[in-house]
Amino acid sequence: DTAVSQTPKYLVTQMGNDKSIKCEQNLGHDTMYWYKQDSKKFLKIMFSYNNKELIINETVPNRFSPKSPDKAHLNLHINSLELGDSAVYFCASSHSGGSGIGGYTFGSGTRLTVV
Amino acid sequence: AQSVAQPEDQVNVAEGNPLTVKCTYSVSGNPYLFWYVQYPNRGLQFLLKYITGDNLVKGSYGFEAEFNKSQTSFHLKKPSALVSDSALYFCAVSQRGGANNLFFGTGTRLTVIP
Repeated sequence: DTAVSQTPKYLVTQMGNDKSIKCEQNLGHDTMYWYKQDSKKFLKIMFSYNNKELIINETVPNRFSPKSPDKAHLNLHINSLELGDSAVYFCASSHSGGSGIGGYTFGSGTRLTVV
Repeated sequence: AQSVAQPEDQVNVAEGNPLTVKCTYSVSGNPYLFWYVQYPNRGLQFLLKYITGDNLVKGSYGFEAEFNKSQTSFHLKKPSALVSDSALYFCAVSQRGGANNLFFGTGTRLTVIP
């Protein structure tokens, strides 16, 4: 059983398109996240979300929006894709701020390429 | 503001030798500290964490890390390196009672030479 699963694994799309990446966790965690890993392998938080609060990193363009239909899912919608959006996007989840067993659990990533 | 420094972009070590990957952090209050490993074209795998208690934390694959509050460090160590340990290692910190975001260092690429 995959703990945090993301789909698709690879996504190639043209500039200007709108796309979504889905994420599901079956760990019963209370918080989910989206991270972006750029070409230099830097990892940066984009969003964190629990059933009470959405926290947005202020550097994230408003073309990016998280959508959470329930506690186990946090999807990432991206409008008007730009070349600079090309990166690997990781979904993650945690319980109690990472103090639970296993800390933060990450999905395997979605490699987005904008052409 | 939180920050994590991994001063070495690259660490090379001979197989069988001890390895150390350095990490220092800056965060207000008492932090939660983590190490993750990333193999090529893979996701991030949890190695170990410090939450509270004993400063020496033991994790997966024989890795351990020591929390040093006075030096604000959390170096990753292993007594005997394996070629299969070659990967990208990330130190990370989250703030207790804060937004719970995990803030990463820039990563250190470990190469174990046979």
